[in-house]
Formats: sequence, structure tokens, C-alpha cells
Amino acid sequence: DAGITQSPRHKVTETGTPVTLRCHQTENHRYMYWYRQDPGHGLRLIHYSYGVKDTDKGEVSDGYSVSRSKTEDFLLTLESATSSQTSVYFCAISESRRGFDEQYFGPGTRLTVT
Amino acid sequence: RKEVEQDPGPFNVPEGATVAFNCTYSNSASQSFFWYRQDCRKEPKLLMSVYSSGNEDGRFTAQLNRASQYISLLIRDSKLSDSATYLCVVSLGGNQFYFGTGTSLTVIP
Repeated sequence: DAGITQSPRHKVTETGTPVTLRCHQTENHRYMYWYRQDPGHGLRLIHYSYGVKDTDKGEVSDGYSVSRSKTEDFLLTLESATSSQTSVYFCAISESRRGFDEQYFGPGTRLTVT
Repeated sequence: RKEVEQDPGPFNVPEGATVAFNCTYSNSASQSFFWYRQDCRKEPKLLMSVYSSGNEDGRFTAQLNRASQYISLLIRDSKLSDSATYLCVVSLGGNQFYFGTGTSLTVIP
């Protein structure tokens, strides 16, 4: 258990509304990630962070922004939600173990944009 | 071309059977390799990191073939509880991870 929580766990929102998803970790990990998972696509990286206020874009960053003002929290914001952003969102941390950088995931947030 | 490719299955096998999954990766600079298990509507969970010499954990054996750029996962004596989707993950290092779309396994009583 990597001590990762996500909130909310489920959300239904309307097109055009802003949405913020929160990822919280308790073990002081430097790297944090946001992925989305859709059928046929696997997990795709949205944004990641390598420290407080240090973030970078991933493969599918359009329409998303992130912030990390504290080590333990990594926020994902959809500025104006669209139906194409209906997905399951997973937060992850990475941790060096036995010579590998291994990723561990939070429980996910299921977002539906109507 | 996708970074990581897996046969999506589904693989339907009887209890006690041996089943193997393969995964190919496109970037020869890939450094680390993993298998994750994902149950329906749950998060992926790390099953095994794949060492260059291959490694075994109970009924699970993972192997890496760098020359042919594939990794494999072998499950022996399949249990009903092994039913899940198995994700192949490749890292280029620098905290860059690439995920396959997963292989679905159903173990039948």
C-alpha cells in the first residue's frame, strides 16, 4: 500500500463546468502522475510532477492543467469539461525499489461528463 | 507504432492450466519492465518487476528477451482468483512509463 488516495471517487458533471480531482499521498514521494484509462487505449499519461511546483505534460495533456503546491497533493483540473474527458483517472507515484522505479496507483476517480 | 503491444485476448482457461502472455515493445532503449494486474473497476497493481535474467514468484514467471524486444508472463496452475487483466509496462527510465492495453484472462472452474 503506497498510501495514495483520490477524491472524489466518482463524479458526474455537465459539459463546460470546471472539475478538480485530487490525489493525496502520505509517503513523501517526489514523482506523481495523472493518467486516464479508456477502453482500447490503456493508461495514457496526462501530466506528471517531479517536485513541488515542478510539472510537465504527458501524452494527452490538452484540456487539463495540474498543480502541486505541496509534496503530498497533486491536483488535476479540467478547465471546461467535455464529453471526451469521460474516463477513469488514476493517480500514481513512483518509488525506487530493488533498482527499479516502480509505479503504484491510487484507487481511481470515475468521471462522467454529460 | 505503439510503444507496447499486447494480445488483448480474452484468454479463457480451465483451473489448473498454464497460460502465457507475451508483450512486445518498440524502443530498444527501454530499461525496466513490469507486469501489473488489474481487476475490473480497480487500479492496476504491480505483479512483478522483470529482471534481465528472468524471475519467478510462486506460480508466476516473468522473462525478458531484449534481442527480440518482448517480455512474457507465465502463470502455472491457474486459479479462479487469477482472472483479471494483465498489463505490460515498459519504462525508458527517467520516470517515463508506457502501458500496454492489457490481456484479459478468465479462469474457468
